[in-house]
Amino acid sequence: NAGVTQTPKFQVLKTGQSMTLQCAQDMNHEYMSWYRQDPGMGLRLIHYSVGAGITDQGEVPNGYNVSRSTTEDFPLRLLSAAPSQTSVYFCATARDRVYNEQFFGPGTRLTVL
Amino acid sequence: QQQVKQSPQSLIVQKGGISIINCAYENTAFDYFPWYQQFPGKGPALLIAIRPDVSEKKEGRFTISFNKSAKQFSLHIMDSQPGDSATYFCAATELINYGQNFVFGPGTRLSVLP
Repeated sequence: NAGVTQTPKFQVLKTGQSMTLQCAQDMNHEYMSWYRQDPGMGLRLIHYSVGAGITDQGEVPNGYNVSRSTTEDFPLRLLSAAPSQTSVYFCATARDRVYNEQFFGPGTRLTVL
Repeated sequence: QQQVKQSPQSLIVQKGGISIINCAYENTAFDYFPWYQQFPGKGPALLIAIRPDVSEKKEGRFTISFNKSAKQFSLHIMDSQPGDSATYFCAATELINYGQNFVFGPGTRLSVLP
């Protein structure tokens, strides 16, 4: 039972490159979300999904795309990376949108040069 | 109105002492107030949480105090241990659209000296 897994753990990109951060969960949770964590700013919600085929924007969605084709996976896409997207990215899951406890993955540290 | 303020930014406590972290919010629609603990290189993990109809919740050495009228809540760690050294985030959440609006405070780095 792996819980929430994220790949890669570390990534360095050049400005303008694209990439996908992977998130997978084996807890059969409906609700999944992506956050970015920056020093002194806590975690900020990028996008979330309440189930396969349903996604919505959070506080800081610009520059990021998501899709949810299965319950287990919720990838985050950076279409054209910018230095402002240098951050640590966390994926989180919850049983459903009403159940409040979120379970976080180990994070992906992204640096954009 | 979405912001959750947290203080102090960092805290140093002797082993056995009491650690106190304070948070404040403005949005009265928030209805769940969790505290998360994060160790270096790890994702945050839920520590303890409270709903606004309760003024205090205690789990072991960890206690949340909640003041609804003042829109403030705090985390107390009794008998602090070196293993408690971590970053602590308060948060507040409300249901929105299809999901939850989780708003996190900026974090408090706690160091417990042996």
